[in-house]
Amino acid sequence: DTAVSQTPKYLVTQMGNDKSIKCEQNLGHDTMYWYKQDSKKFLKIMFSYNNKELIINETVPNRFSPKSPDKAHLNLHINSLELGDSAVYFCASSPSLASGELFFGEGSRLTVL
Amino acid sequence: QQQVKQSPQSLIVQKGGISIINCAYENTAFDYFPWYQQFPGKGPALLIAIRPDVSEKKEGRFTISFNKSAKQFSLHIMDSQPGDSATYFCAASKNGNNNDMRFGAGTRLTVKP
Repeated sequence: DTAVSQTPKYLVTQMGNDKSIKCEQNLGHDTMYWYKQDSKKFLKIMFSYNNKELIINETVPNRFSPKSPDKAHLNLHINSLELGDSAVYFCASSPSLASGELFFGEGSRLTVL
Repeated sequence: QQQVKQSPQSLIVQKGGISIINCAYENTAFDYFPWYQQFPGKGPALLIAIRPDVSEKKEGRFTISFNKSAKQFSLHIMDSQPGDSATYFCAASKNGNNNDMRFGAGTRLTVKP
């Protein structure tokens, strides 16, 4: 049983297109996140949601729009894709905002051509 | 700005040797210091974590050493094995708040048989 699952694992698309990545966690956690890992492996938080409410948006362009239909799901929609959006996007969850431990999905590698 | 500086960027160790990865932080309010392990094609997973009330924490072959006055902490992997080959990230946060979690740039460890 995968605790945090995200789909698709790979995305290859053209500049200007719109794409979505879906994430689901079956851990019963209250908090979910999106992280971006760039080509140098640097991990940076993009969004966090606590009980379906947006808590943080770390200077992410508004082309990125997260949506949390319920506590177990946090999807990421990206409009007008740019070359610089190419990265691995990780969904993560934690029992609460202050629990310390993050549980990551396996990542979605986005390549923008 | 990078609040957690990690070194080295890459490390090659012989099987049975000791792997040492170092991190330094700037924000004295940080009080939770986890290490994450990431295998290729997978998401990071929590390996071991320490709070500043102790100077060392050991779990099996993995030890965190913490120096509060120097604002440094390090991961030691004793008797390194090829299966330990992965990218290791240090991180730091305030009160275990995941929204404040700042990651180091990662160290790619290769353990040669």
